[in-house]
Amino acid sequence: SQKIEQNSEALNIQEGKTATLTCNYTNYSPAYLQWYRQDPGRGPVFLLLIRENEKEKRKERLKVTFDTTLKQSLFHITASQPADSATYLCALVRDYGGSQGNLIFGKGTKLSVKP
Amino acid sequence: NAGVTQTPKFQVLKTGQSMTLQCAQDMNHEYMSWYRQDPGMGLRLIHYSVGAGITDQGEVPNGYNVSRSTTEDFPLRLLSAAPSQTSVYFCASMGWGGEQYFGPGTRLTVT
Repeated sequence: SQKIEQNSEALNIQEGKTATLTCNYTNYSPAYLQWYRQDPGRGPVFLLLIRENEKEKRKERLKVTFDTTLKQSLFHITASQPADSATYLCALVRDYGGSQGNLIFGKGTKLSVKP
Repeated sequence: NAGVTQTPKFQVLKTGQSMTLQCAQDMNHEYMSWYRQDPGMGLRLIHYSVGAGITDQGEVPNGYNVSRSTTEDFPLRLLSAAPSQTSVYFCASMGWGGEQYFGPGTRLTVT
């Protein structure tokens, strides 16, 4: 069955450093991959989407890479701030067409940025 | 734009009771879905809908029913609540670029 793993349950870093979160998947070739942020007691918030034919996407201090050979996505937050502390979820979409909204989620990585 | 709204925010049920979790979106999105989130499990897809009148099962559909009579609303029904359905439930709608908009969630406890 489809498996998606986020390597770390928790990541602690110092303010100003770059946080790098990892997402690995097996058994399928996803159409695209997404990253979400979730704060305690709230729903996930969409951050970035990267398609299978894209290597890298950027948005402000965020960068996502997608390596379909390694079956891996890396999510980077540069110049991290305490406000970036949250749980980050990786999700992939297997198909285009009618079920393209069906996301398969990783369990998340809880990022803590210390001042 | 309210986005995706869910009611109630919290609910406690006794085993065997039924209830409906409400979800509405005002973005005119065709695709909507329900997920449950449990500790250590990640979000799992329960049911989804690609448009009014069309629904289908996700990964964990047992014990839940859905219907989609309008584009805006996508309620989730628990037919006979069980303790295993204690969870946080999120409704989502999909934007035109594939991004998902999640509601604030309903925290359900079944005793």
